[in-house]
Amino acid sequence: SQQGEEDPQALSIQEGENATMNCSYKTSINNLQWYRQNSGRGLVHLILIRSNEREKHSGRLRVTLDTSKKSSSLLITASRAADTASYFCATGLANQAGTALIFGKGTTLSVSS
Amino acid sequence: DAGVIQSPRHEVTEMGQEVTLRCKPISGHNSLFWYRQTMMRGLELLIYFNNNVPIDDSGMPEDRFSAKMPNASFSTLKIQPSEPRDSAVYFCASSPKGYYGYTFGSGTRLTVV
Repeated sequence: SQQGEEDPQALSIQEGENATMNCSYKTSINNLQWYRQNSGRGLVHLILIRSNEREKHSGRLRVTLDTSKKSSSLLITASRAADTASYFCATGLANQAGTALIFGKGTTLSVSS
Repeated sequence: DAGVIQSPRHEVTEMGQEVTLRCKPISGHNSLFWYRQTMMRGLELLIYFNNNVPIDDSGMPEDRFSAKMPNASFSTLKIQPSEPRDSAVYFCASSPKGYYGYTFGSGTRLTVV
């Protein structure tokens, strides 16, 4: 079953513009992560934000988390053609033995030069 | 570090045949995950292991699917007999214990004809 849902499904922007992707989820989480997937490749971990954090930065990436609204956003500033990829949010559902990430269906970002 | 290694990269098989997918996680990672990715259903968690022990296999579609992790450096996902609807990209991922990002392999693209 899908826990997270990204919005929009697809996003097209010009190089230099900012890209914002949103993720909503349904149940309580311990952490939320964002991943990137280039065409034909595996997923690459971008950033992790814990449930007690509200904002996190990594280079040109900014992630926010609002646990009261069960939502997160990923902002990519000054986008580049190389940022063209699919972006997925994933939520960690903790249990006694560990954490298994549940992924959304992703946002496909196209950055044109 | 060679990352998570999956084999084969591509597999084409006839309906009814047995298929075995292989994964070597990153040394020292305690958790291993098998996911399946299709356009229709996105990324689905099939099964995961902590310290070589299967924790949750509720995502395994049916009895035709089985997974093993005989030691910390090797896991297999077997489909017997295979069906056309099993066609997908199968990913293996590993992570250290705790709340960390996953490292994904490059995936196995399975086509059942």
